[in-house]
Amino acid sequence: QVQLVQSGAEVKKPGASVTVSCKTSGYSFAGYYIHWVRQAPGQGLEWMGRIIPSSGGTAYAQKFQGRVTVTWDTSISSAYMELSSLRSDDTAVYFCAREFVDRTAMIEYYYNYYGMDVWGQGTTVTVSS
Amino acid sequence: EIVLTQSPGTLSLSPGERVTLSCRASQSISGNSLAWYQQNPGQAPRLLIYGASSRATGIPDRFSGSGSGTDFSLTISRLEPEDFAVYYCHLSGSSPLTFGGGTKVEIK
Repeated sequence: QVQLVQSGAEVKKPGASVTVSCKTSGYSFAGYYIHWVRQAPGQGLEWMGRIIPSSGGTAYAQKFQGRVTVTWDTSISSAYMELSSLRSDDTAVYFCAREFVDRTAMIEYYYNYYGMDVWGQGTTVTVSS
Repeated sequence: EIVLTQSPGTLSLSPGERVTLSCRASQSISGNSLAWYQQNPGQAPRLLIYGASSRATGIPDRFSGSGSGTDFSLTISRLEPEDFAVYYCHLSGSSPLTFGGGTKVEIK
């Protein structure tokens, strides 16, 4: 079955970097995006960035520009999210999720987005001195 | 950057009641890119609705989505005990993507 399996919990010191992995299985990545979403304790969902595995194209939330990098390793069907210069307010659960996007339209505005239908289990990242 | 505002923040309701949750965008958006998610404590979000009004696979028909332009809504026709959760609207599409702040539906 379709699965996204994330790496385990991390504890980091302020200023360090963390990399969370997301191994996908059970489907062909063509047509899918992989998103990264985080949730701080007691807070809402926050979109961080995404990658298009078939092209490697990325997009990031402005808030994280310069600090986040999302990559894809085709050989093992895995996505990675690296967040640098960690601060205490980066303490959160980090999720990866897939989304099918129909890009047959000529203009991006008319692409059809099918929602994030499969999610990883979440990875807790704790930033503490 | 488009902002999604959800209202109300919290709703206290009883099982069997009908509820409509609101999601308002700060500017007109394509309905093709509006989704709704349900989240229970300690769990990953669950996709309910995509494309503003299409139910995801396995979602009961008591959940329905509607709207266009700047105003979107999620309706639960008859609340079941498992529906008490937090609901988020989400704008996918060309970046930047964003989530609404969420609406908590709690048991009265």
